[in-house]
Amino acid sequence: ETGVTQSPTHLIKTRGQQVTLRCSSQSGHNTVSWYQQALGQGPQFIFQYYREEENGRGNFPPRFSGLQFPNYSSELNVNALELDDSALYLCASSPMVRGATGELFFGEGSRLTVL
Amino acid sequence: DAKTTQPPSMDCAEGRAANLPCNHSTISGNEYVYWYRQIHSQGPQYIIHGLKNNETNEMASLIITEDRKSSTLILPHATLRDTAVYYCIVSGNTPLVFGKGTRLSVIA
Repeated sequence: ETGVTQSPTHLIKTRGQQVTLRCSSQSGHNTVSWYQQALGQGPQFIFQYYREEENGRGNFPPRFSGLQFPNYSSELNVNALELDDSALYLCASSPMVRGATGELFFGEGSRLTVL
Repeated sequence: DAKTTQPPSMDCAEGRAANLPCNHSTISGNEYVYWYRQIHSQGPQYIIHGLKNNETNEMASLIITEDRKSSTLILPHATLRDTAVYYCIVSGNTPLVFGKGTRLSVIA
């Protein structure tokens, strides 16, 4: 096990609603990354947080936002849900390693279905 | 976009070595080669990474060509539990970009 836990594991929302997904990092890891994985595709990078600041963002609109807390846990918020937001959302924690991305420790994901 | 090219699928007999190739002809000098795998309905799992030299751990071996333009992940004795999608990723100090990977099926 990776020590990264995500909640909820499954949820169903309707179009236009808002959702918050949560991630608890592995102890001692100060960096958290969020990925979206559509069915049959590889994970797509949403954003990364390092010490409570956004430290990189992929090609996702502003309605995807995040937070990292002092204990390094994190939230992913998605507003105005669209049908295409249906996916597995993965959180990964890691220690910040100079010069290299390093090993990411992934949680089991939160599967979001938008109806 | 992913900087790597992998075959979409491969089969391997149980107990035999699984050799998964990856092309990364545009790799930069400061970029590492990472391998992850994803078993159905689970989060990706780190396997191994390397810069120039070959690497080995308890899960696998990573062979990187001298020009660093390609690599091979070797699972020395594949088991049914190794059936998964395997991702080859090149990255420096940047977020990992996943492609579609190789779907490895280990057959009894």
